[in-house]
Amino acid sequence: DAKTTQPNSMESNEEEPVHLPCNHSTISGTDYIHWYRQLPSQGPEYVIHGLTSNVNNRMASLAIAEDRKSSTLILHRATLRDAAVYYCILRDGTGANSKLTFGKGITLSVRP
Amino acid sequence: DTGVSQDPRHKITKRGQNVTFRCDPISEHNRLYWYRQTLGQGPEFLTYFQNEAQLEKSRLLSDRFSAERPKGSFSTLEIQRTEQGDSAMYLCASSLGSGVRYEQFFGPGTRLTVL
Repeated sequence: DAKTTQPNSMESNEEEPVHLPCNHSTISGTDYIHWYRQLPSQGPEYVIHGLTSNVNNRMASLAIAEDRKSSTLILHRATLRDAAVYYCILRDGTGANSKLTFGKGITLSVRP
Repeated sequence: DTGVSQDPRHKITKRGQNVTFRCDPISEHNRLYWYRQTLGQGPEFLTYFQNEAQLEKSRLLSDRFSAERPKGSFSTLEIQRTEQGDSAMYLCASSLGSGVRYEQFFGPGTRLTVL
């Protein structure tokens, strides 16, 4: 599986935007970029995914570099509830590999 | 609540005992996954089912581990002769399909402590 690299941690202030980076220099043409997050004492939850174009949903935005070797998850206004571990994951778009391969993720802390 | 449920939420056992965990996926989800998570690490894949068929097992799943999904609905994960290294959070997830557009929905996990 292609691997991703994320910083260990990041801090932000409540109600400010947060940009969480992810590097995936060995990404293949069929890999989709997925983000999940895990709130304290809970299972992971899906956030967003994309292939080439930037994506928006009610939770976040995903900005994908033109060469696809990096991406950024954007939380437009961080809340205390957004404090979590965020995982950047590559998934094979051919469907050959159904499992999620998690790294250590990035721990986001939100200051009130 | 129609999410993924897991039972029990916590289990404390002595080394050498057998334990069994249950996962109830979202109804109509044909894919069911088991993951294990240790402190400070991301979840690691153990195995998954499509309906009642177990399609893939990780090398992490030793002979002491067995998983079933007898009627394609709920699943059980059994660990025989538990060891202290089995202490972890065991997470279950389900999805409607296998493609990248199908997100996985996770349960709250079962935390196992082996004394």
